[in-house]
Amino acid sequence: GAVVSQHPSRVICKSGTSVKIECRSLDFQATTMFWYRQFPKQSLMLMATSNEGSKATYEQGVEKDKFLINHASLTLSTLTVTSAHPEDSSFYICSARVLRQTSTDTQYFGPGTRLTVL
Amino acid sequence: QKEVEQNSGPLSVPEGAIASLNCTYSDRVSQSFFWYRQYSGKSPELIMSIYSNGDKEDGRFTAQLNKASQYVSLLIRDSQPSDSATYLCAVADYGGSQGNLIFGKGTKLSVKP
Repeated sequence: GAVVSQHPSRVICKSGTSVKIECRSLDFQATTMFWYRQFPKQSLMLMATSNEGSKATYEQGVEKDKFLINHASLTLSTLTVTSAHPEDSSFYICSARVLRQTSTDTQYFGPGTRLTVL
Repeated sequence: QKEVEQNSGPLSVPEGAIASLNCTYSDRVSQSFFWYRQYSGKSPELIMSIYSNGDKEDGRFTAQLNKASQYVSLLIRDSQPSDSATYLCAVADYGGSQGNLIFGKGTKLSVKP
């Protein structure tokens, strides 16, 4: 259980185009999903927290107009990188939070999307 | 600023040895702790979660938690070359963004055949 999928796994696009990444929880409902970015040889950096039916909460320094997040259902969140530039090239990873009865929760990660902007 | 500290390594151990990975955290009220394994070019994979002081064992992995010392560790017994990866320590931040995880920078483990 607790499987998270991401699509696409890899995308190459031209500078100035927009790219949409989907994150799905396949066998559970996720009220909260998280979007991370990871540059080569660096740690995960949280970009935003996405709650179903409400606006995402962005971390400091992350442009909300550039990284559009939509969490339309309990199993799907999308991240759209608008007007992508080469510096946006990175490994984007989503995770979904499984809330258990004991109130101790766990995040499960999707396989990630490698974005390359030419 | 809530922080999770890990030795970046690389930590090199021979095959069959015990690998010991350490992590300290700054937020005294933290309650949930996780170890993730990340292979190069892949996303993190949950290995262990621990919530209470003491040891928790799962196969070759043992997580240890000492809240008084704000210290979490992961022991890997009978290390295999396939265990070579970066190990991320994470602490749930309930005072922050709806329970997001604060990650350490990771410790790179290399198991030599």
